[in-house]
Amino acid sequence: DGGITQSPKYLFRKEGQNVTLSCEQNLNHDAMYWYRQDPGQGLRLIYYSQIVNDFQKGDIAEGYSVSREKKESFPLTVTSAQKNPTAFYLCASRSTGDEKLFFGSGTQLSVL
Amino acid sequence: GNSVTQMEGPVTLSEEAFLTINCTYTATGYPSLFWYVQYPGEGLQLLLKATKADDKGSNKGFEATYRKETTSFHLEKGSVQVSDSAVYFCALSDRDTGRRALTFGSGTRLQVQP
Repeated sequence: DGGITQSPKYLFRKEGQNVTLSCEQNLNHDAMYWYRQDPGQGLRLIYYSQIVNDFQKGDIAEGYSVSREKKESFPLTVTSAQKNPTAFYLCASRSTGDEKLFFGSGTQLSVL
Repeated sequence: GNSVTQMEGPVTLSEEAFLTINCTYTATGYPSLFWYVQYPGEGLQLLLKATKADDKGSNKGFEATYRKETTSFHLEKGSVQVSDSAVYFCALSDRDTGRRALTFGSGTRLQVQP
């Protein structure tokens, strides 16, 4: 079955540590997105990529980095510069010509 | 810029009650509008969408009509079930910005009691 796989489901970060969240899709979608969800709040866009080897900052990119070396993969690194990283992170993808997003099941990141 | 405003929750209803969740938006141009649903610990699933004024999106008994004159896209269901308990997000497409992402409201939690 086609879909988006995020791993791990739960992740813990120590002070000063970088952590990487995985996102893989087998939907053959060109565009991929990372959103952050905080309790009681909507989703905020971190980074997006419309095509392989290209990505753009979203609304809250500070303290995060991404890469897009393969069409099916869009990993997100939460760096030590992100001072409030505890949140639920959602990866999404979109087919060219379509507007709806397909979402993965998310990664809950917490700080130890 | 674009924004979406939803009614605050939680909304608590008894089974078989009528549901309305209000959503209004501010956008440049003419965005497509969406409702997504999120069950605990999961990602978002598309519930319905509408792409132009007066379109009605519908799915699983839920409906929403794109009202350009009132910039609204309220979600309704005639008879809710316990299994409808979830968080509902209204969203619009960023057509005019070029990034083609979705802008989301803050979400409305629905609790349906048996």
